[in-house]
Amino acid sequence: DSGVTQTPKHLITATGQRVTLRCSPRSGDLSVYWYQQSLDQGLQFLIQYYNGEERAKGNILERFSAQQFPDLHSELNLSSLELGDSALYFCASSPPAGLAAADTQYFGPGTRLTVL
Amino acid sequence: DAKTTQPTSMDCAEGRAANLPCNHSTISGNEYVYWYRQIHSQGPQYIIHGLKNNETNEMASLIITEDRKSSTLILPHATLRDTAVYYCIARMEYGNKLVFGAGTILRVKS
Repeated sequence: DSGVTQTPKHLITATGQRVTLRCSPRSGDLSVYWYQQSLDQGLQFLIQYYNGEERAKGNILERFSAQQFPDLHSELNLSSLELGDSALYFCASSPPAGLAAADTQYFGPGTRLTVL
Repeated sequence: DAKTTQPTSMDCAEGRAANLPCNHSTISGNEYVYWYRQIHSQGPQYIIHGLKNNETNEMASLIITEDRKSSTLILPHATLRDTAVYYCIARMEYGNKLVFGAGTILRVKS
């Protein structure tokens, strides 16, 4: 158990819909990362937040957005869903720089999204 | 981040050492070598990382060549539970995102 929690575990929805994935980082971790893993693309970085602020963006579609709240949990919002958005979505967190094992990313169990 | 190259797959007998190679010939002086693994659709798990010295922890050992162009992850006594995809990643510490390649599928067989 990494200490990172993600809900829900599974999500099945239809094309055109909107969903929200939730992530709670490990206690004390300020950074949250979102990754997408699909069969054809592998594990890809989407976006990073640090203490509530967006830090880096990867290959995140405009239909996707994220935020990190004051209590440090994060949400990934996916809208106008397409069949190709079906994937595993992982959240990871890492401790602040300067702490032991800093910059090690701890991954949650993921949310499996199926778009029908 | 420097590109890394790993074999597509490897087999290892249970109880034997698993040696997973990684080439990173374009690695820069301030890039670390990180290893993660992913067991069947679970979240990736950090294993070990290093800069230029060999490193060992409770999970594995990391051997980095003197020129830093390649490294080997060693699982000293592989078990069936070590069957997973192993990812070698070169990145700056306190960076940022992890850039995952295809990794090496390690199959541990009894």
